Amino acid sequence: NAGVTQTPKFQVLKTGQSMTLQCAQDMNHEYMSWYRQDPGMGLRLIHYSVGAGITDQGEVPNGYNVSRSTTEDFPLRLLSAAPSQTSVYFCASRRGGANVLTFGAGSRLTVL
Amino acid sequence: GEDVEQSLFLSVREGDSSVINCTYTDSSSTYLYWYKQEPGAGLQLLTYIFSNMDMKQDQRLTVLLNKKDKHLSLRIADTQTGDSAIYFCADVKAAGNKLTFGGGTRVLVKP
Repeated sequence: NAGVTQTPKFQVLKTGQSMTLQCAQDMNHEYMSWYRQDPGMGLRLIHYSVGAGITDQGEVPNGYNVSRSTTEDFPLRLLSAAPSQTSVYFCASRRGGANVLTFGAGSRLTVL
Repeated sequence: GEDVEQSLFLSVREGDSSVINCTYTDSSSTYLYWYKQEPGAGLQLLTYIFSNMDMKQDQRLTVLLNKKDKHLSLRIADTQTGDSAIYFCADVKAAGNKLTFGGGTRVLVKP
């Protein structure tokens, strides 16, 4: 099992550009989520999904879109990147009913 | 609000014990977690404790939970240089899917 795989690991964007951070898991986990990590602020939940076709907003959803067309994939889209979105992004998943998250290795995004 | 707070930094000598502290505000927390993040990596679950427990031990790790004071701690015995990392505490509410993370404590182990 590969676990939770995130791509790309690093990305530099200009303000206003769009991009998608990819997240895939091969553990048949129902629940998937995206966090952003900023210094001294821990991890903040952006969006999450409890199953294919179902998504919901987390703590800091503005500027981000998600979709969950399959159980395996949960992409995070930035439609018009802003410098405030410079951060490290983590995707995490778990089985339904479980309380232990498995994290990906992270994607570092810089918006100039 | 739902807050989880930690001190920012801890320095410890190799071989000593480390104690990382965390406070939380929501009394409905059901599970509390400790995650470790090494440089350039994602978060790795170290241990967790159910809210009806007050202590859990796992090899060099001891978790203490004081529900009255809403205080969680992680003790690492015989701290090694490989224990240098950022440690996050987190809680999950009784009726939710969402973990709330503290800001992380950076632990530096000096030889």
